[in-house]
Amino acid sequence: EAGVTQFPSHSVIEKGQTVTLRCDPISGHDNLYWYRRVMGKEIKFLLHFVKESKQDESGMPNNRFLAERTGGTYSTLKVQPAELEDSGVYFCASSKGRGASKNIQYFGAGTRLSVL
Amino acid sequence: GEDVEQSLFLSVREGDSSVINCTYTDSSSTYLYWYKQEPGAGLQLLTYIFSNMDMKQDQRLTVLLNKKDKHLSLRIADTQTGDSAIYFCAVADQAGTALIFGKGTTLSVSS
Repeated sequence: EAGVTQFPSHSVIEKGQTVTLRCDPISGHDNLYWYRRVMGKEIKFLLHFVKESKQDESGMPNNRFLAERTGGTYSTLKVQPAELEDSGVYFCASSKGRGASKNIQYFGAGTRLSVL
Repeated sequence: GEDVEQSLFLSVREGDSSVINCTYTDSSSTYLYWYKQEPGAGLQLLTYIFSNMDMKQDQRLTVLLNKKDKHLSLRIADTQTGDSAIYFCAVADQAGTALIFGKGTTLSVSS
């Protein structure tokens, strides 16, 4: 069974540009989460999808960030326009959402975003 | 809000035991987790413990939970150089969904 996959693994962009990160959750997992770790700080929650619906987006830093999960499968996180402080590692995680261990979250390898 | 604290660094010799400690402020999390991040890799779920347990053992790993003191620890027996990584403690928020992480403990194992 494939794990959580994220693309790209690394993105280098200039300030003001747009970047779109993609996450494919584990097949059959209804819950999908985005987190990020900026330099020297903790890993912080951004938002949570249940299928295609945004359940909790309290961690989204501002309206330059837009997350979607059309069809309830993969998700994208778009940053437009990117600022220097957006640099960091963006992690995606998924969980079953039902049954035993429904909330156990499995993470992808992350996307390292560098804004210059 | 919820806060999770860990020491930042731990250095041990190969073959010794490693103990990584974590304290948290909110005890409503059903599960408490340890994740491992090797250099250049993502977050790997290492182990987790159900909140009504005091201890969980899985091969070389032992997790101890003291709910009264809000203290979680991870013990790695016979630490190997391949155990060198960053270890993150995490608990769920009050809604039970978002994970709250500590800053991570960098474990360095010397031969």
